[in-house]
Amino acid sequence: DAKTTQPNSMESNEEEPVHLPCNHSTISGTDYIHWYRQLPSQGPEYVIHGLTSNVNNRMASLAIAEDRKSSTLILHRATLRDAAVYYCILRDAQGADNNRKLIWGLGTSLAVNP
Amino acid sequence: DAGITQSPRHKVTETGTPVTLRCHQTENHRYMYWYRQDPGHGLRLIHYSYGVKDTDKGEVSDGYSVSRSKTEDFLLTLESATSSQTSVYFCAISVRASGLYNEQFFGPGTRLTVL
Repeated sequence: DAKTTQPNSMESNEEEPVHLPCNHSTISGTDYIHWYRQLPSQGPEYVIHGLTSNVNNRMASLAIAEDRKSSTLILHRATLRDAAVYYCILRDAQGADNNRKLIWGLGTSLAVNP
Repeated sequence: DAGITQSPRHKVTETGTPVTLRCHQTENHRYMYWYRQDPGHGLRLIHYSYGVKDTDKGEVSDGYSVSRSKTEDFLLTLESATSSQTSVYFCAISVRASGLYNEQFFGPGTRLTVL
């Protein structure tokens, strides 16, 4: 199963953009790139996902490299509530059962300074 | 909010005692999962279910059993709890979002301490 590599921690200032990198050099053609985040004392929550093209939603943007071997989660204006652990995960696109193949790393712990 | 609740939210028990954790969902989703989360490790899958009475093992299933007699409930049982099972346990469901994409929704977690 393809794995991802993320920095252990990052720091940002409030209202500034944050770019969270993820390397996934062994990604396969049918792997979606997912980002989840986990706020303190809560379960993980979905942030965004993509396959090949860049994606935007109300929470964040996902920039995917042309060769798909890396991606970047972009928080356009960090707030204190964005302080969390961010997980980059690959998952095969085919079948709900493939959720069982998710490999969760340690993620990036994002600190946001006021 | 995918309507997932876990009970209990906190439990302290002694080594050797049986423990059952309950995950309840309100939206009749087919797939349900139990994970554990420990410092220094990512979330690790214990067991999952793909329907009533249909379950399978994850990567860390030793010492755990599960049951799913109703769509809405997925139970995780530690037959004889050990200190190594002290952890935070998360339940999750899988929801078909669009096309082939499935999103996971997680419960609030159960913090279990085995003394």
